[in-house]
Amino acid sequence: QKEVEQNSGPLSVPEGAIASLNCTYSDRGSQSFFWYRQYSGKSPELIMFIYSNGDKEDGRFTAQLNKASQYVSLLIRDSQPSDSATYLCAGVLSGGSNYKLTFGKGTLLTVNP
Amino acid sequence: DGGITQSPKYLFRKEGQNVTLSCEQNLNHDAMYWYRQDPGQGLRLIYYSQIVNDFQKGDIAEGYSVSREKKESFPLTVTSAQKNPTAFYLCASRRVTSSYEQYFGPGTRLTVT
Repeated sequence: QKEVEQNSGPLSVPEGAIASLNCTYSDRGSQSFFWYRQYSGKSPELIMFIYSNGDKEDGRFTAQLNKASQYVSLLIRDSQPSDSATYLCAGVLSGGSNYKLTFGKGTLLTVNP
Repeated sequence: DGGITQSPKYLFRKEGQNVTLSCEQNLNHDAMYWYRQDPGQGLRLIYYSQIVNDFQKGDIAEGYSVSREKKESFPLTVTSAQKNPTAFYLCASRRVTSSYEQYFGPGTRLTVT
């Protein structure tokens, strides 16, 4: 079964540090990956998407996609306590409907003041 | 304001009762999705619809039913056949013509006792 895997954490970093969140996927033909942030009790919020190999930066966030190694990562620079949340990785996996996202179980990030 | 609304935010039902969760969007998105989220698990797809009057089963459709009579609306009925209905239910939508990103509503937390 094609999957998206994440380390469930928790990942704890001090305020101002770089938080690195990782995600691997099982199918080499997969494309299009997404990072969602989910605060406790709330719905997921899309923060980044990446379709091509390499890095994509948006403010303090950088998404990285390495299709050869089948991993996706999210870097959060200058981490703030407000970044404390669960981060969900999702992808459009090959062989499936282009409309379907497969989600990882999420990584809980805690940023300590 | 454009967005996705789900109602109610919290819903309590007795076992054996059917219950319908509402999802409405005014984003003019073509595709709509229903997910279920349980503690410690990722999002699991229940049903999705790409166009009006058409919908497909997701990974865990048993015990659920949907309709798509209008582009803006995609209600989910949790039937008494669903063995473990207590969960956080999330509706999402996507603009098919442009990209794969899905955007979520605020969710409905259903408790069945």
